[in-house]
Amino acid sequence: GAVVSQHPSRVICKSGTSVKIECRSLDFQATTMFWYRQFPKQSLMLMATSNEGSKATYEQGVEKDKFLINHASLTLSTLTVTSAHPEDSSFYICSARDFASGGLNTGELFFGEGSRLTVL
Amino acid sequence: AQSVTQLGSHVSVSEGALVLLRCNYSSSVPPYLFWYVQYPNQGLQLLLKYTTGATLVKGINGFEAEFKKSETSFHLTKPSAHMSDAAEYFCAVSERQAGTALIFGKGTTLSVSS
Repeated sequence: GAVVSQHPSRVICKSGTSVKIECRSLDFQATTMFWYRQFPKQSLMLMATSNEGSKATYEQGVEKDKFLINHASLTLSTLTVTSAHPEDSSFYICSARDFASGGLNTGELFFGEGSRLTVL
Repeated sequence: AQSVTQLGSHVSVSEGALVLLRCNYSSSVPPYLFWYVQYPNQGLQLLLKYTTGATLVKGINGFEAEFKKSETSFHLTKPSAHMSDAAEYFCAVSERQAGTALIFGKGTTLSVSS
């Protein structure tokens, strides 16, 4: 089956620094990727929708200048947490839909393993 | 706007007992429905999905769910729980329009005791 890989799986950084998380579709092309954030013991909250070659669409309340999303190719989307602070500590999960399915929602949405960010 | 409600944030069953995790959705038109499982510090794994056709959907690991339009429900069941079923379960909904994201419920933690 299709695989979505996230890197790094865990990252610890100092407050004020920036952290980049990569999301790759390994064996399929993904025109659309979604970034979610999950707090401990809570559900996944959609942060933004990333479309290849265009600007990401952010959900209400998500700071686009803090969470920079780039989807430069059909297999790679990146999330950069800029000037990270302790409140940004969370589990970030990306997901992608196989382009071959035409982006139809009947196609399975594949999830990465997640990236746990800890900001000291 | 679509939404998903999972009744019961925590469900506890004995090994071998029936598992029932409840999910109700709110949508102006019948959506696509999904159940995912998440183990600690891991991503999500699809258990099953309903898009069209048969309303009783069978998934992996012996789970199944039934789409009931009249009740706007998509409850997840398994006849006999195993210890390995202990995890977090998320019900999710998406519009039929291409390119839209999944909206998740708050999740239900399933505990299985021996």
